[in-house]
Parts: sequence; structure tokens; C-alpha cells
Amino acid sequence: DTAVSQTPKYLVTQMGNDKSIKCEQNLGHDTMYWYKQDSKKFLKIMFSYNNKELIINETVPNRFSPKSPDKAHLNLHINSLELGDSAVYFCASSLYTEAFFGQGTRLTVV
Amino acid sequence: QQQVKQSPQSLIVQKGGISIINCAYENTAFDYFPWYQQFPGKGPALLIAIRPDVSEKKEGRFTISFNKSAKQFSLHIMDSQPGDSATYFCAATKGGGGSNYKLTFGKGTLLTVNP
Repeated sequence: DTAVSQTPKYLVTQMGNDKSIKCEQNLGHDTMYWYKQDSKKFLKIMFSYNNKELIINETVPNRFSPKSPDKAHLNLHINSLELGDSAVYFCASSLYTEAFFGQGTRLTVV
Repeated sequence: QQQVKQSPQSLIVQKGGISIINCAYENTAFDYFPWYQQFPGKGPALLIAIRPDVSEKKEGRFTISFNKSAKQFSLHIMDSQPGDSATYFCAATKGGGGSNYKLTFGKGTLLTVNP
């Protein structure tokens, strides 16, 4: 059983397009996150949500808009994609200290 | 400002050897220090974690050593195996979980264990 699942796994799109990544967790966790891993593998938090409420927004451009319809889902919508948005985006969830990560979405902007 | 510094960037070890990865942190409010293991094409997975009230934690071949006064912690992998080849991230956070739980990661160490 997949704990944290993201779709799609790969996303190739042109500059200027709008795209969404979906995330679902079946662990019953209250908190969900988006992390970005750049080409040098550096992992940085973007957002966290607790019970559908935005808790952390780490100075991410407002082209990135997370949405949490319920505590099991956290989607990421990106407007006007730029070359620099190319990265692997990880969804994660946690109840206490351990964060469980999805398998990632590799976004390539061409 | 990089709050968690990790070294080395890459490490090559022979099978059966000891792999050692070091991390240093700046924020004294951090109170939870996990290590994550990431295989290619996969998300990071928690390997082992420690709180600053203990100086060492061991789980199987993996040991975290923690030095609170020096603000340093390290991961030791004993009897390293080719299957341990992966990228390892140290991380730190404060608050003990809950809704404000934010992992600050080191830059990662690519470990290669040669057979």
C-alpha cells in the first residue's frame, strides 16, 4: 500500500504553461508538505498544511499555489512556469516527528 | 544562510568498511535530528533519528553520534554494503513535531559502497 502518492511522476512542459501536481496520503496524518529538490539534490521546504490550513510558506513565488481540499490531499498548482522551476517536487506527510515522503514528481520546463 | 552543514559531499567506501558522514548545525533551538536515505528515483526515507538528550543512538549497523556542545552530529554505517549506496541527508528541526514541523536539510552525501 502506498503511503504518500504523487501524480504525475514525470512532467515535461513548456515555459509559460500552468501545471498541477497531486498528492494523497493514506496514513491519517494531519500535516502535509511540499518540498523542492533542485538539480544539486538540495531539499527545501516550500509549504506545510495542517488540517487544510496553511502553516508554513517559505517565501515561495506566488506563482506556486498549494491547495488542500481535505487533510489527506495536498495539491500544488504552478502558474506561468519558468525554466528555474525545473526540479523534483516531493510531497510529504507527518503526524509527529517522522516525515513520510512520496516518490517525487520530476518537473522539466523546456 | 545554511543552517545545517553536511560533509563530505561524496564518499566511496569498500564493502565491509565504515562510512562516516558529519553534520553541524547553527540553530540551538533544533531538538530533533533525523537522517534520511534516498535511493535514485525515490523519495527520502527516515533511517534513524536522535534527540539532544542522548549522545548516541544505534539501530543495527547505523549509529548517530551527537555532540550538543559542538553542535555536531554524525552518522556511522558499520560493515557498509553495496545496498547502502544512496544519498544520505542529515536534517534538523525544532518543536517536536506537530503543525510547525519543518525539516532543514543538509546538502546530502552521495555514498558509494564498492563490492
